[in-house]
Amino acid sequence: DAKTTQPPSMDCAEGRAANLPCNHSTISGNEYVYWYRQIHSQGPQYIIHGLKNNETNEMASLIITEDRKSSTLILPHATLRDTAVYYCIVRVHPAGTALIFGKGTTLSVSS
Amino acid sequence: GAVVSQHPSRVICKSGTSVKIECRSLDFQATTMFWYRQFPKQSLMLMATSNEGSKATYEQGVEKDKFLINHASLTLSTLTVTSAHPEDSSFYICSADIGGETQYFGPGTRLLVL
Repeated sequence: DAKTTQPPSMDCAEGRAANLPCNHSTISGNEYVYWYRQIHSQGPQYIIHGLKNNETNEMASLIITEDRKSSTLILPHATLRDTAVYYCIVRVHPAGTALIFGKGTTLSVSS
Repeated sequence: GAVVSQHPSRVICKSGTSVKIECRSLDFQATTMFWYRQFPKQSLMLMATSNEGSKATYEQGVEKDKFLINHASLTLSTLTVTSAHPEDSSFYICSADIGGETQYFGPGTRLLVL
């Protein structure tokens, strides 16, 4: 079963920041927080991951609370192409550990 | 990011026939690959973990004799849906594990069984 809780849907205006929350209150010390997104009828796309420090890459920023019980994915300037289902997943690192998907958040970006 | 391909992208077959789906890692070697299934308006469900050179590990409720997985090389895993039935119609997606840190997904294969 998925170990994260996300709101089922969110809306965002084009050009504004999209802040997607995720609750993972039972996360273990060796579990990382991963974010993927799935655009309709495509395979999931890796976005970012982190352990306890905030992370940033060309796609997004990941903010993890100090107690690691929740995190926020930030898309700084959302575009229409960011409309997708966003999945927050916690996972340990050893090779061979599958990603277990929850229901995710459907982000709708509108002009 | 790393590239994972799947072939075919979509397939239509008659009930009772078998269908093979290929998953390839194009620019890296993947010791472990995973197979997922996704029904309309639902999330991805893990079917099995495929390890190169060994038998796949199937999730509870997934019939190993129906969904045959072969991981013969570090860049190729195949999923064969045997004696397909309409209820097997779904979106099948593979992913490849890079050093345990990140997994990259293929574009998916849409199977329709008539």
